[in-house]
Order: sequence, then structure tokens, then C-alpha cells
Amino acid sequence: NAGVMQNPRHLVRRRGQEARLRCSPMKGHSHVYWYRQLPEEGLKFMVYLQKENIIDESGMPKERFSAEFPKEGPSILRIQQVVRGDSAAYFCASSQTVVYMNTEAFFGQGTRLTVV
Amino acid sequence: QKEVEQNSGPLSVPEGAIASLNCTYSDRGSQSFFWYRQYSGKSPELIMSIYSNGDKEDGRFTAQLNKASQYVSLLIRDSQPSDSATYLCAGTNTDKLIFGTGTRLQVFP
Repeated sequence: NAGVMQNPRHLVRRRGQEARLRCSPMKGHSHVYWYRQLPEEGLKFMVYLQKENIIDESGMPKERFSAEFPKEGPSILRIQQVVRGDSAAYFCASSQTVVYMNTEAFFGQGTRLTVV
Repeated sequence: QKEVEQNSGPLSVPEGAIASLNCTYSDRGSQSFFWYRQYSGKSPELIMSIYSNGDKEDGRFTAQLNKASQYVSLLIRDSQPSDSATYLCAGTNTDKLIFGTGTRLQVFP
């Protein structure tokens, strides 16, 4: 039973390029959460998605960032025109139901994005 | 005001001792709480979940929740050097988890 799968594990992009991060939730999980972690800092919520729907994007920067979770395939976090400040670890978590219903969320191994 | 607060540490304890990690939260509507362990350069790993007031034990770990005081704690008994990591406290805020900044635990031999 595979856990949450993220790829790539490491991604290097030049300033101005696009970064595309993928997350496949655990089997049986339909709720996906994206978090960003800067070095020596905590996890910051970005967006919460269910299949084909963005439920909560209150933590997502208004520009350059977008997320989707299509009916088929992984969830995608897209960062357009990357800047050095986007360099961080991006983690995806999944859960079986929404987390306030006493359900646990499990994290993938993360994507380390470096913008040069 | 931060929604989930933790002392950043480091908290240093000798091997075999009890490590006590604490967390407070501001949202009285939070229902569920979680402790994650994160080794340097790795992803968060779920250790404990707790949903109701009182204690919950799992092996060497005990989570404690006091909703009246808005306080969550994690006790690690018989601490081992392999327990050295950052421990993240998280609480639910409507539909998502909000994390504290984490407490770094160091267990020395």
C-alpha cells in the first residue's frame, strides 16, 4: 500500500521558468493538501483540494501559483515565472476525509525546489 | 496572533529521560490535534492524533489534550538519541491543519 507519492524529489529551475510539482495521494484518499516549508521554518498551508475542486486556497499567493486535482491523475501545484524566493520544500498530504472529522493526514516525501 | 504556538527549543534531555513537548492553540473551534516528527531534510511523519480531552498512549508516546486550557502536549518516555528531531504540533482549522513552528528535541547519550 503505497504512501503519498510526490515527484520530482528535487527540482532546479532558472528564474522565470515554470515549476510543476506532482502529488499522488494514498490509495483511498481523495483529499489533498499542499504546504510550503522554508528552511528552519514551519509548514505553511497553501491549498486544499478534492477531486476536481479547490476547496480552500487561502494560503496560496495570488499570483503565479495555481493548483489542480483532476478526476484522473495526480494533483499538480504549478508555479509560473519562478523567483528565488520560491525556493523551498513543498509537501503534499492526503487524507481519507476532511481533517476536522477526526481523520489523519499523511505526508509525501516532498519536492525540494531550488531557483537559480 | 499565531494559531498554534510551540517553543522552538532546542529541548535537550539525556537518554532515558522523559521529554515533554508543549503546544497551545488559539482557535477554540479546533477539534483534532496531531503530533508529527520531522527529521532534518525529511518529511513530517505522523506520531499521534488526539481528539478528546485526556491522555492517549501509544508505546513510548503519550499525547495530552486540555481543550479548556487550549493546550496539547506530547510526552516521550525513555528518550533515545534516535528521537532527536523537530516535533510539529498541528490543529484543525475548519478544513485544514495549521502547524506550529516546531520544537527541536535533542537527546544526548
